[in-house]
Amino acid sequence: GQQVMQIPQYQHVQEGEDFTTYCNSSTTLSNIQWYKQRPGGHPVFLIQLVKSGEVKKQKRLTFQFGEAKKNSSLHITATQTTDVGTYFCAGPSNNNDMRFGAGTRLTVKP
Amino acid sequence: EAQVTQNPRYLITVTGKKLTVTCSQNMNHEYMSWYRQDPGLGLRQIYYSMNVEVTDKGDVPEGYKVSRKEKRNFPLILESPSPNQTSLYFCASRHNRGNSYEQYFGPGTRLTVT
Repeated sequence: GQQVMQIPQYQHVQEGEDFTTYCNSSTTLSNIQWYKQRPGGHPVFLIQLVKSGEVKKQKRLTFQFGEAKKNSSLHITATQTTDVGTYFCAGPSNNNDMRFGAGTRLTVKP
Repeated sequence: EAQVTQNPRYLITVTGKKLTVTCSQNMNHEYMSWYRQDPGLGLRQIYYSMNVEVTDKGDVPEGYKVSRKEKRNFPLILESPSPNQTSLYFCASRHNRGNSYEQYFGPGTRLTVT
C-alpha cells in the first residue's frame, strides 16, 4: 500500500540556523498537507499543497510540492525556539484514508 | 468555539475490559477519523468516516470498532483491549467537500492497558 516516508526523524539546531524536513510518497498524491505538533499538544494544520511544483510561504516557513507530486519539503529559515515541535506531512490515498509521515522532531537550542 | 473534543483525556485500564473513547465536533464536518500515535511511527489511521453511517478501515483497524450514528459524534470502541493498544489516540474531523483536506484534531486520549 501507499507509504509516506519522512526524514530526518530528529533534528537539533542552534537558534538562528535553518531547518528542512523531507517527505516522500510511494505513490502520486492529489495533495499534501503539513502539520505541526508542539510537545504535549495535538497536530495543527499548517498548509496544503495541491499543484505540481507549488511553493508556498508562511513567514519563515517555505513549503514545496515536487513536480511529480510524490515528494515535498518544509524549510524553516532562521529557526526560533517557538519552532520547536514535530512536523508531519500527510497525504490521502486513493481510498480517502490519510497517510502520515513518521514526523521530524525539531529541537532548538537558544 | 470550533473544536473537537475527546473523552477521557487519560485512561488506565486492564486487558479485556471494554472501553469507549468519545469524540465530538461542532463544525458540521462530514469526515471524521481516529489515529493512534506511537513513538517513531507517527500518526496511523485506525478508522475513518466519510459521513453518517459510512465508516471504513484505515491502516491499523484490528482490535477497534467505530460507529457514526450522528454527524457530530464518532466513538472509538475497544471491545477487548490489549497492552499493544497502549498509545496516544487522536480524533480528527474535516469537511468532505471542495479541495481542502485540512483536519482539526482533538486534544488526544492517552490510553494505558495493563
